[in-house]
Amino acid sequence: NSKVIQTPRYLVKGQGQKAKMRCIPEKGHPVVFWYQQNKNNEFKFLINFQNQEVLQQIDMTEKRFSAECPSNSPCSLEIQSSEAGDSALYLCASRQGANTGQLYFGEGSKLTVL
Amino acid sequence: QQQVRQSPQSLTVWEGETAILNCSYENSAFDYFPWYQQFPGEGPALLISILSVSNKKEDGRFTIFFNKREKKLSLHIADSQPGDSATYFCAARAGGSNAKLTFGKGTKLSVKS
Repeated sequence: NSKVIQTPRYLVKGQGQKAKMRCIPEKGHPVVFWYQQNKNNEFKFLINFQNQEVLQQIDMTEKRFSAECPSNSPCSLEIQSSEAGDSALYLCASRQGANTGQLYFGEGSKLTVL
Repeated sequence: QQQVRQSPQSLTVWEGETAILNCSYENSAFDYFPWYQQFPGEGPALLISILSVSNKKEDGRFTIFFNKREKKLSLHIADSQPGDSATYFCAARAGGSNAKLTFGKGTKLSVKS
């Protein structure tokens, strides 16, 4: 059973609407990753954080995607203006600090953009 | 350019057989290779992983064989069970433990009883 909690499990949005997903990482895991998994099983790395700081992110040139991991609050990923191509499973994963590289994923938030 | 490739795309084995899932990569800098198991409607679950300094890793019925020279690895699932039916993803990482994972497109395994 996953200890990374993602909400909501499903969301349906119209084109142009905002979509927001949340993630509570596993307790004691300061590093959080967001991935997008499309219907062809392609994983796309979006962004990762260590505590509240961004470590690496893709070039979100469209500026439609934003993410944060505030202190004492769930992490979040928001799409400002949803497009049909954004329909996918959005996966949050967390990792312990130190040298372990093992990522543990949540169940995901499945976004459908109509 | 796909950096991590998996084959076959789908595989069917009988219960009790050994399933062999293949993975190859292009980036010589990859040094950590986890395999994930994903059931429909769920997130990927870490199954087993290997570092590039090793050529074999076992965990119960699951074994990774790694060939650094050929940039290939394989996941062997011994005594396959119907409950092993899932999609298996090979992933790879370069650049330290905070670096992103690069995933293959998966192998869908069906185990028939």
